Order: sequence, then structure tokens, then C-alpha cells
Amino acid sequence: KAGVTQTPRYLIKTRGQQVTLSCSPISGHRSVSWYQQTPGQGLQFLFEYFSETQRNKGNFPGRFSGRQFSNSRSEMNVSTLELGDSALYLCASSLVSTDYGYTFGSGTRLTVV
Amino acid sequence: DAKTTQPPSMDCAEGRAANLPCNHSTISGNEYVYWYRQIHSQGPQYIIHGLKNNETNEMASLIITEDRKSSTLILPHATLRDTAVYYCIVRALTGANNLFFGTGTRLTVIP
Repeated sequence: KAGVTQTPRYLIKTRGQQVTLSCSPISGHRSVSWYQQTPGQGLQFLFEYFSETQRNKGNFPGRFSGRQFSNSRSEMNVSTLELGDSALYLCASSLVSTDYGYTFGSGTRLTVV
Repeated sequence: DAKTTQPPSMDCAEGRAANLPCNHSTISGNEYVYWYRQIHSQGPQYIIHGLKNNETNEMASLIITEDRKSSTLILPHATLRDTAVYYCIVRALTGANNLFFGTGTRLTVIP
């Protein structure tokens, strides 16, 4: 079966712009989580959605937001981009929000210039 | 979720067993031990998890000490493709559903 699909794979944006990243979870998976990975901070949790509701949020500013659609696909948005937002953004899905293992996508590499 | 401590790096000869330790001395009774790995430029990959009994699957074995304060992930016959960063995570199945990855162990399998 198809894995977690993230689009686009690579993105270059300018400071001050906004960006939307997309994640399609494995069919039947209702929980989608987002993570940011940078060399300095490692993998950090952004937020988790389950059945279109945000269930948990990490310690990120309000410029980072997300949503989940009825088909479980999820998007995350970053407004007013800063250079420090350059990172690999990873999406993970699981069957239910308390499932054992998460399946991660390959990520979207965002570069802010 | 409890924090974990892992060595920053380890080397292992190809074909030999790789034993990756993890300390989680503040683990709670309802927290599981998970292992993920991340191969360069890919998303993390789930390997195995356990509560208090040793576990084995097609990828690895997980040995948890009786007091649950530490665990070891064993890759029985390491291959070059096992070179990756390995993360030990503890979390409960209830409550917050985020994973705290920490810094992990960079395993290098040497030919």
C-alpha cells in the first residue's frame, strides 16, 4: 500500500512569504502529526490532528498552523517566513491517535532565503 | 514523557550484532519503549516497541531490563544499510501523542 506522501519534496521561499505543505497519510490512518527537523534542534513536534481536530501542539509560534480534511489529508502553513524556518518538515500518520507505530513520509525540505 | 539517554555514536562491523543502549531511568509504569531510526535524508522508520517483556521482530530485538530503567536494541547481523541515527523514545499510549526524539545514536556499520 502507498506510504505517507508529502508534497512538495523541495521548496525555496523568501523571507516574509508564507508556505503551505501537504501530507497524504496512509489510507485508513486518521492521525497525522507534523515535525520540524533542523541540525541545531533535531526533530521537534509541531502538532497532531485526529479526525480534523488538533489534539496536541508543540512549542512553536502561532505562525505555524495546520489543518486536517475529512479525508485525513493534512496541510501545514507557515506565515511570515524567517530564515530559521529552513528545515525538513516531516509528516507522520498512524491508524488511531494512540497507535503504536507512526509511519513517516520523506519530508519537505524548505529553504528560506 | 520520560527523557532518554543514548551514546552519540557507535560503530559496528558488517555482519556482527549491533547493540544500541538506552537509559530511561524516569520511565513510568504505563510508558512503552519505542525505537525508530532515520537513514540520511529520509523520514524516521519505526523499528520495534515494548513495555516490559523482550520483543523481537523481523528487524530487531528489544531487551528491556527488569527494572525498566534501560533497554538495548539489537540488530543481529548489521548491514551497511543499517547505518542510520537510532532514536530511543518512551511514551504512554494515552495522553500526548507526540514523540520526543532526543539526539539519538549515530550507528555506522563498517565494511
